[in-house]
Amino acid sequence: DVVMTQSPLSLPVTLGQPASISCRSSQSLVHSDGNTYLNWFQQRPGQSPRRLIYKVSNRDSGVPDRFSGSGSGTDFTLKISRVEAEDVGMYYCMQGSHWPPFTFGPGTKVDIK
Amino acid sequence: EVHLVESGGNLVQPGGSLRLSCVASGFAFSGYWMNWVRQAPGKGLEWVANIKPDESEKYYVDSVEGRFTISRDNAKNSLYLQMNSLRAEDTAVYFCAGDWGNWGQGTLVTVSS
Repeated sequence: DVVMTQSPLSLPVTLGQPASISCRSSQSLVHSDGNTYLNWFQQRPGQSPRRLIYKVSNRDSGVPDRFSGSGSGTDFTLKISRVEAEDVGMYYCMQGSHWPPFTFGPGTKVDIK
Repeated sequence: EVHLVESGGNLVQPGGSLRLSCVASGFAFSGYWMNWVRQAPGKGLEWVANIKPDESEKYYVDSVEGRFTISRDNAKNSLYLQMNSLRAEDTAVYFCAGDWGNWGQGTLVTVSS
């Protein structure tokens, strides 16, 4: 199974400042079809997960452009250019290149300093 | 607008059974792989099972293989999870998710005597 790790696990941020979350996989996430199926999800307190980014860097509809994804192979990053209060919550990366099983990272808790 | 609504969660004794349902609307349910994902209290996300649109392929995480059965009824836009031989470690909120971009609000399963 592909193991996903994230760092940091806790990220206190200042409003208006940038934030960055790292996600690493135990093997390359390049699929045999050439795509890299790495998703990022946001889960606000008390809510269901919401996908922000798919295939490394594609923003879902309605996701603010302050969120961006990048990376390749085994190393990926989610960046928030300027953190807003509504960005507080848990962030998970998930790989969909080598399944079953689909595997999630442990999550990064983003809160305001 | 896409809606996924889960139901069927309850308190059940260890060794008991439960059937979860997820009703979908607002998208072409019959054309999508569908997933069940769970989240134990205070923990991260864990993929549980998925099913191909025509039900010809089904996959499970190792920890539920042989105990849980995923199924669907495309005529009713519905996804199901039959859970047997339940254990305390199956206690979680169970989400249905379609193609990862759409999630339900979840239904709570508690396994306890």
